[in-house]
Amino acid sequence: QSVLTQSPSVSGAPGQRVTISCSASSSNIGADYAVHWYQQLPGTAPKLLIYGNKNRPSGVPDRFSGSRSGTSASLAISGLQAEDDADYYCQSYDTSLSGNYVFGTGTKVTVL
Amino acid sequence: EVQLVQSGAEMKKPGESLRISCKGTGYNFTNYWISWVRQMPGKGLEWMGSIDPSDSYTTYSPSFQGHVTISADKSITTAYLQWSGLEASDTAIYYCARMGYYYEMDVWGQGTTVTVFS
Repeated sequence: QSVLTQSPSVSGAPGQRVTISCSASSSNIGADYAVHWYQQLPGTAPKLLIYGNKNRPSGVPDRFSGSRSGTSASLAISGLQAEDDADYYCQSYDTSLSGNYVFGTGTKVTVL
Repeated sequence: EVQLVQSGAEMKKPGESLRISCKGTGYNFTNYWISWVRQMPGKGLEWMGSIDPSDSYTTYSPSFQGHVTISADKSITTAYLQWSGLEASDTAIYYCARMGYYYEMDVWGQGTTVTVFS
């Protein structure tokens, strides 16, 4: 089971700003391991959106931003667009079980 | 262009064996670990295990240890995920992904759908 908890769903109108949270235990985010975020459009493979807590890979719009504080991390999407309608996952490294990469439970973003 | 290209969809019966593949192109295959990720129908992402293609050192999630085997052949820049006895609960999409410097999964394969039915 996942040790990174995300809110199941978030919605917003086009142009609005939404935030997705990722809450963890001290064995992962709280232990200073980096948090990464992925976007999964329907029927497609996940795509790296944010790495190292706040860095955007080349080609990712600056509407997407990541942050981290203590045992939580957040992904913000500003200027929401129809194509942002997707599932979003956080991911980190966890030392509680002999070293694992762990994913969050996932958040469905719906653009109204 | 950096790419991971996975083998095609598979339909198998319970108890059968299976090996799916993930071929890396456009980069030095031995410089990056490869991970395998499962996504069951309508569910989230689960990390299964990872391999260092340079020496085939592997690490597994406790949830998958003993049920799958991850391997790699660096001479043909290909990683593999295999089962010796499939179960219906193995029905899922399986993704391979390249691990980046911060342990992020920066490049993903297109996914391989495995269906196990009797």
